[in-house]
Amino acid sequence: GENVEQHPSTLSVQEGDSAVIKCTYSDSASNYFPWYKQELGKRPQLIIDIRSNVGEKKDQRIAVTLNKTAKHFSLHITETQPEDSAVYFCAASSNPWPGGYNKLIFGAGTRLAVHP
Amino acid sequence: EAQVTQNPRYLITVTGKKLTVTCSQNMNHEYMSWYRQDPGLGLRQIYYSMNVEVTDKGDVPEGYKVSRKEKRNFPLILESPSPNQTSLYFCASRQGVEEKLFFGSGTQLSVL
Repeated sequence: GENVEQHPSTLSVQEGDSAVIKCTYSDSASNYFPWYKQELGKRPQLIIDIRSNVGEKKDQRIAVTLNKTAKHFSLHITETQPEDSAVYFCAASSNPWPGGYNKLIFGAGTRLAVHP
Repeated sequence: EAQVTQNPRYLITVTGKKLTVTCSQNMNHEYMSWYRQDPGLGLRQIYYSMNVEVTDKGDVPEGYKVSRKEKRNFPLILESPSPNQTSLYFCASRQGVEEKLFFGSGTQLSVL
């Protein structure tokens, strides 16, 4: 079946450094790639998403890049802060059958720790 | 306030005792789904529903049932829970195909 691989599984950085999380997907028809942040004990929440007609998208300290040829996309966080500490999930849309309803395939998650 | 309400937050039960986790959304979303979250495995879809009376299996449907009799409600039913269903469960909803998922607050289930 379709899958999304996410690396690394854990990431530890110093406050102020940048953090990069990478994902690869298998379904060449995927065209929607969201990122969710899950703080400890809380629900996942969307932080940024990108569609296949765009190569890069930024929102303040967060950016996502997409390489459709290589089937990978990445999350970049600059000037990290302790409140960025969380689990981050990437996801890719997948259409199980022609005309069917797109579903999201999630990566296994990256636990980011930002140390003061 | 737009939200997905999921109950209970914590549930401890024994093998074989039927249980239901409720999920309700107030955003008139057509699409609702259930996920389970396990360490190292991310979020895996159990079942989803595209509208009232329309449901389908996700990636890990074995041992679960769902129903969608009303647009706002999408309960998850475990007819005969087993220890391998111990997990963190999330209900979610969205309106469009490429719209953000709104997650419930989660249900931590332990099956002894």
